[in-house]
Amino acid sequence: GDSVTQMEGPVTLSEEAFLTINCTYTATGYPSLFWYVQYPGEGLQLLLKATKADDKGSNKGFEATYRKETTSFHLEKGSVQVSDSAVYFCALTWGSGNTGKLIFGQGTTLQVKP
Amino acid sequence: DAEITQSPRHKITETGRQVTLACHQTWNHNNMFWYRQDLGHGLRLIHYSYGVQDTNKGEVSDGYSVSRSNTEDLPLTLESAASSQTSVYFCATSGTSGGNTGELFFGEGSRLTVL
Repeated sequence: GDSVTQMEGPVTLSEEAFLTINCTYTATGYPSLFWYVQYPGEGLQLLLKATKADDKGSNKGFEATYRKETTSFHLEKGSVQVSDSAVYFCALTWGSGNTGKLIFGQGTTLQVKP
Repeated sequence: DAEITQSPRHKITETGRQVTLACHQTWNHNNMFWYRQDLGHGLRLIHYSYGVQDTNKGEVSDGYSVSRSNTEDLPLTLESAASSQTSVYFCATSGTSGGNTGELFFGEGSRLTVL
């Protein structure tokens, strides 16, 4: 079945370091791909998305490119801040059409130290 | 602003008791979802609804039920709470307007502890 695999955390970085969080997926068809972020004590919120191969999603300095050939959607940021400390979830749509059902990876905790 | 309100935010209950978690949305979205979040598992889908009177089972539906009597509310009921149901529960919604690609909007979560 469809699934999402993320690199295990926690990932600990110093402020202004480069961030990569790996995400690979297994899916039939052509899913849309998402990165969600969860700040402490809050629900998830959409960070960025890509709906077809080679699309690049970007928001708040974060980027991810939909790579069909490697079935990947790695999250990157050139210079992280303490305020980026959160849990990041990679996800894909499940089923055909606009169903809103998502399959999530297990989440990667990012800790950024000053 | 539109929002999703979950209640209670925190609840402690005993094994065997019935528990209901409320979810109320003002987005006017047709699609509503319940997920549970557990360490190492990410979020897993429990039940979902595409409209009034419609309910569907998700990946981990055993021991849970939902009902949809109006657009705004999708209460989640644990018929007989078990310790394995200790988790954080998130309600989410999505619309069906043109251009929507499955983005979900989440509530702030309900933390349930079953002793």
